[in-house]
Amino acid sequence: QITLKESGPTLVKPTQTLTLTCAFSGFSLTTSGVGVGWIRQPPGKALEWLALIYWDDDKQYSPSLESRLTVTKDTSKNQVVLTMTYMDPVDTGTYYCAHRHGGSYGLDFDYWGQGALVTVSS
Amino acid sequence: DIVMTQAPLSSPVTLGQPASISCRSSESLVHSDGNTYLSWFHQRPGQPPRLLIYKTSNWFAGVPDRFSGSGAGTDFTLKISRVEAEDVGVYYCMQGTQFPYTFGQGTKLEIK
Repeated sequence: QITLKESGPTLVKPTQTLTLTCAFSGFSLTTSGVGVGWIRQPPGKALEWLALIYWDDDKQYSPSLESRLTVTKDTSKNQVVLTMTYMDPVDTGTYYCAHRHGGSYGLDFDYWGQGALVTVSS
Repeated sequence: DIVMTQAPLSSPVTLGQPASISCRSSESLVHSDGNTYLSWFHQRPGQPPRLLIYKTSNWFAGVPDRFSGSGAGTDFTLKISRVEAEDVGVYYCMQGTQFPYTFGQGTKLEIK
């Protein structure tokens, strides 16, 4: 059974750096084709894709946020970490991590964490 | 970036009646590998999105067969054959063909 869970601060101040951890189980990030993505959702608004890291350490970022984002993985701990610098109130929202199994499966974000609500305020 | 446009943005439906949501992309979603990576998600209030359909028309595990996906190129549709009360919420399409992945604005399904 695949599960993912996000953790991190619920409140950050403007200009601070946000660090979120996605702890997962039920799959390995060493399996060919597997990836973990990050998606966020401002309150009452649509979903926005942020980043994706693959089993082979290939990383993809949203171009509009690329300068502020870093995604890393720790396969021994079954964790993926997202950092976002220079946080602003417009970055307030729920941040999700999700499993992707590409390759012949083509399963985009078939399992999601419950989300971590992050508020940016002084 | 590929822009995903959904219609309608709001859809009041009667229980037991069909519903249909359109999703159009600004570019073809046919990948160089021949697949079309168009997915549909359903999100209830306070819950994470749930995958319904992947690669345009494939049911994800456990999804009722009253949901169906179709389309090709730039035009895609999600249909619910008979709406049930648990189907309320917001539906999103997403393209995974080209980075950056992009979502539609969402379509809110509500019961009349």
